[in-house]
Amino acid sequence: DIQMTQSPSSLSASVGDRVTISCRASQTIANYLNWYQHKPGNAPVLLIYAASVLQSGVPSRFSGSGSGTDFTLTISSLQPEDFATYYCQQSYDIPQAFGQGTKVEIK
Amino acid sequence: EVQLVQSGPEVKKPGESLKISCRAVDYTFTTYWIGWVRQLPGKGLEWMGNIYPDDSDVKYSPLLQGRVTISADRSTSTAYLQWSRVTASDSGIYYCARLGTGSSGGDYWGQGTLVTVSS
Repeated sequence: DIQMTQSPSSLSASVGDRVTISCRASQTIANYLNWYQHKPGNAPVLLIYAASVLQSGVPSRFSGSGSGTDFTLTISSLQPEDFATYYCQQSYDIPQAFGQGTKVEIK
Repeated sequence: EVQLVQSGPEVKKPGESLKISCRAVDYTFTTYWIGWVRQLPGKGLEWMGNIYPDDSDVKYSPLLQGRVTISADRSTSTAYLQWSRVTASDSGIYYCARLGTGSSGGDYWGQGTLVTVSS
């Protein structure tokens, strides 16, 4: 099975900061990598698919990059509504594992 | 407007059976995979399995295969997740999601179903 490892597990940041979250796959997954935002009490929201494609309706401050085994989610200027937990997920093979999550907290 | 509407919260005793549902609204149910994802208390998101409603092809997480059954009813545009015997470790929030074309992730999600298993 392909394992997905995110780093860091949590981070503290201020409004306006640039935030970067990393995700590493245990074997190559080409660009079959999705990023989600999840807030308590809400369903997850798809931000990025195919590693770098911005989902319709998602603000352009979110971007994704990478291919193969190493991927990055970047928030260019953190906004108050961005404080949440972020997950990567591979859709290359079954089981379609998620990373363990990165909690973005207010500094 | 595309929606996935999930059934309401459930409270069960250990050993009871359970079936929760996910009804698709305003899109062609048979042309998109549906995935099930859970979040156990204090834990992250966990992929459980996917179903293609057109032919009921199902892919399960190896960790859950045999413990849950994923199915779909094309006549009602509804996907299901069921247990024959629940345990306390099944308590959590269960989400369904429509998977976009080309393995592009869950683009629409249900609101989640809270399952509580307690004696």
